[in-house]
Amino acid sequence: AQSVTQPDIHITVSEGASLELRCNYSYGATPYLFWYVQSPGQGLQLLLKYFSGDTLVQGIKGFEAEFKRSQSSFNLRKPSVHWSDAAEYFCAVVGGAAGNKLTFGGGTRVLVKP
Amino acid sequence: DAGVIQSPRHEVTEMGQEVTLRCKPISGHDYLFWYRQTMMRGLELLIYFNNNVPIDDSGMPEDRFSAKMPNASFSTLKIQPSEPRDSAVYFCASTTIAGGGSAKNIQYFGAGTRLSVL
Repeated sequence: AQSVTQPDIHITVSEGASLELRCNYSYGATPYLFWYVQSPGQGLQLLLKYFSGDTLVQGIKGFEAEFKRSQSSFNLRKPSVHWSDAAEYFCAVVGGAAGNKLTFGGGTRVLVKP
Repeated sequence: DAGVIQSPRHEVTEMGQEVTLRCKPISGHDYLFWYRQTMMRGLELLIYFNNNVPIDDSGMPEDRFSAKMPNASFSTLKIQPSEPRDSAVYFCASTTIAGGGSAKNIQYFGAGTRLSVL
């Protein structure tokens, strides 16, 4: 069965500093990979996705993610964090026998210090 | 499009009462998903539909939970009778795998219904 691991439950970063959120997945072939962001009291908003092609994908709000097949990873990055980036971030995978079911990681909560 | 619309946004009820959550998917989407989010268990898929037909309900916690999709533009998730442990945020999402657009295979989420069972 496919699974997604986000090793960091909480990350605190200073405003203006860079941010990297880790995501590792378990899946037999190339999955479809996603990063979603959830602000407090809100639904999930798609930041970016990887289906195929260029392994470095650009998303909204200045985020990017890199797919590394050899490491089964899809880490999310942002060069300079803004206070508004404080939220919870979810990595997710879909594909294979699971059909169109999204499997989510446990999430990483990002706190931004002024 | 207005996106996925869920109602109500908040629901407070007493244990034993019936609760009905509603969802209107994005027009043209042929997949609809119901998720539950709690602090302890994170985001869990409860059930999903394809063309109004339930495909996988293995995530539905027990017989107290039921979901229907009578047509392509409406779905309900019902809990009867409700219990305090059902308190959570329930999300609905929709997608399509048809066509060649950039939105293909992306699940779009509603704002959720925060359920509190006292």
